[in-house]
Amino acid sequence: GQQLNQSPQSMFIQEGEDVSMNCTSSSIFNTWLWYKQDPGEGPVLLIALYKAGELTSNGRLTAQFGITRKDSFLNISASIPSDVGIYFCAGHLGDGNQFYFGTGTSLTVIP
Amino acid sequence: EAGVAQSPRYKIIEKRQSVAFWCNPISGHATLYWYQQILGQGPKLLIQFQNNGVVDDSQLPKDRFSAERLKGVDSTLKIQPAKLEDSAVYLCASSSRPRPPYNEQFFGPGTRLTVL
Repeated sequence: GQQLNQSPQSMFIQEGEDVSMNCTSSSIFNTWLWYKQDPGEGPVLLIALYKAGELTSNGRLTAQFGITRKDSFLNISASIPSDVGIYFCAGHLGDGNQFYFGTGTSLTVIP
Repeated sequence: EAGVAQSPRYKIIEKRQSVAFWCNPISGHATLYWYQQILGQGPKLLIQFQNNGVVDDSQLPKDRFSAERLKGVDSTLKIQPAKLEDSAVYLCASSSRPRPPYNEQFFGPGTRLTVL
């Protein structure tokens, strides 16, 4: 299957700081999604991106579809304790293909 | 609106035993997915249904895993016999549109399987 690499693997930040994470692939994707997963729960979709270069915001979250279509970025501004969780990227190659999930970035926010 | 329901939430079995998981998707969602999420990894698709037909089962270990969605609503995933490496969280998700622009996949809470 496709390999999506996320970095960093984990982050420990102070409340109020901004966060940046990214996802890279060796393949070109047509769609990028970003999910957040809380312990004991299923992933919840945060942002969906459908075009190269697209920049989309959802509250304090902003994500971008990389120009090369092989990467995507997620930024969280002014982090708060409820941002704690694991963030996954997922990419889709196109019709007839499945979504592939990244390895995840674990975020810890220190009050 | 009720979310995706899964049961049981937890299951502990010994290797070589059989186990079954149940999923009830969001009402009206035609597409249903089963994912396997091993600790520390992202979800991996096992099988995708469109109504009661299989769209993609390329990563389903068919020698031991089976899944069905007989009436296009509920679905069951079975492992028979289980191996140690099957220990994982099994997530069910549903969506109302499988093609771009993709509707959101709504995930259930998952079933955590431990194989001893």
